[in-house]
Amino acid sequence: NAGVTQTPKFRVLKTGQSMTLLCAQDMNHEYMYWYRQDPGMGLRLIHYSVGEGTTAKGEVPDGYNVSRLKKQNFLLGLESAAPSQTSVYFCASSYSQANSPLHFGNGTRLTVT
Amino acid sequence: DQQVKQNSPSLSVQEGRISILNCDYTNSMFDYFLWYKKYPAEGPTFLISISSIKDKNEDGRFTVFLNKSAKHLSLHIVPSQPGDSAVYFCAASVDNAGNMLTFGGGTRLMVKP
Repeated sequence: NAGVTQTPKFRVLKTGQSMTLLCAQDMNHEYMYWYRQDPGMGLRLIHYSVGEGTTAKGEVPDGYNVSRLKKQNFLLGLESAAPSQTSVYFCASSYSQANSPLHFGNGTRLTVT
Repeated sequence: DQQVKQNSPSLSVQEGRISILNCDYTNSMFDYFLWYKKYPAEGPTFLISISSIKDKNEDGRFTVFLNKSAKHLSLHIVPSQPGDSAVYFCAASVDNAGNMLTFGGGTRLMVKP
């Protein structure tokens, strides 16, 4: 049982380049989330999904897009990367029952130069 | 403005002693609180939680206390062990809001042998 798997683990981009971060979960969770972690600021929610085919904006959605075409996958896209998007990105998933804890992947460290 | 704050970025304690990590929140709509533990190069893992209808929840060496009137919660670890050395994040959520979490900035705990 792999849990939540994120690919890639590391990536360096130049300003203006695009990329997609992939998140896959094998726990049959309904809800999925993308967070970014920056020093001293904890984790901030970028986008989330409460089911296949649905997405919604979180606290810091600008510059990112997401898609949830399959229940087990949640993709985070950066269309035109900026240095301000240098961060560690975490994907998480949870059951739909209220107060179900989030299960996190091990993160993707992205550097934009 | 951060709705969840952890004012101590780091804490150092001796093995066997008590570790107390603190967290304050401003949003009175929060009704569920969690603590996550994070090791380097890994994602956060769920540790313990508490509902706003309680003021204490205990799980082995870990106890979380909630003071709603002060909008304050704390995590007690007794006795502290070197393996507890990690970054601890306080998080809060609003019921029926998709289990989305608002995180504090984290406290790095170092337990010295």
